[in-house]
Amino acid sequence: SQTIHQWPATLVQPVGSPLSLECTVEGTSNPNLYWYRQAAGRGLQLLFYSVGIGQISSEVPQNLSASRPQDRQFILSSKKLLLSDSGFYLCAREQDTNSPLHFGNGTRLTVT
Amino acid sequence: DQQVKQNSPSLSVQEGRISILNCDYTNSMFDYFLWYKKYPAEGPTFLISISSIKDKNEDGRFTVFLNKSAKHLSLHIVPSQPGDSAVYFCAATATGDWGKFQFGAGTQVVVTP
Repeated sequence: SQTIHQWPATLVQPVGSPLSLECTVEGTSNPNLYWYRQAAGRGLQLLFYSVGIGQISSEVPQNLSASRPQDRQFILSSKKLLLSDSGFYLCAREQDTNSPLHFGNGTRLTVT
Repeated sequence: DQQVKQNSPSLSVQEGRISILNCDYTNSMFDYFLWYKKYPAEGPTFLISISSIKDKNEDGRFTVFLNKSAKHLSLHIVPSQPGDSAVYFCAATATGDWGKFQFGAGTQVVVTP
């Protein structure tokens, strides 16, 4: 199984509050993991990717950070949320090397 | 800057007819292209892909066409079925940047009886 678990499914947070979204994956070890965000009316934008424990690459400057404390765990965080952080956050992994990404069911974040 | 564009936000098609979804890209380094299908409140699901060494790839009712000179690809669904109603995303990457896919904004397809 290459299942991806994301939680929570929906989240409403006030501006200035912290954020922690967790993604855990099953299946083969040492997967490449990704965080994407879909803002309203837009395509998916790559935020972070990780090729191993403790290895994080950021694609766009932003108010968010990511961490990979364990092989199959990928966390997206913020110390203080902005209104513009609202969106649909998706965790993804490669099924195999150089294969299409497999996505989790996402977290819908609304910052109020 | 959007490197992958889907200029049609929505498409309505009758059941049994052909659905044609279009996608344009600007980065000539892209050499691998994918289509994803997304239902509400779910993550995107991989549908079909094509590499730049081909101009057509077929999988059942789904066919993707690639025109490299025009930097254009399209997805054909024949025949369209009610279960095909979803948002379809086009994505592209360069082999050396695998996983860093650039996505279009999506096309909402509605298949009517």
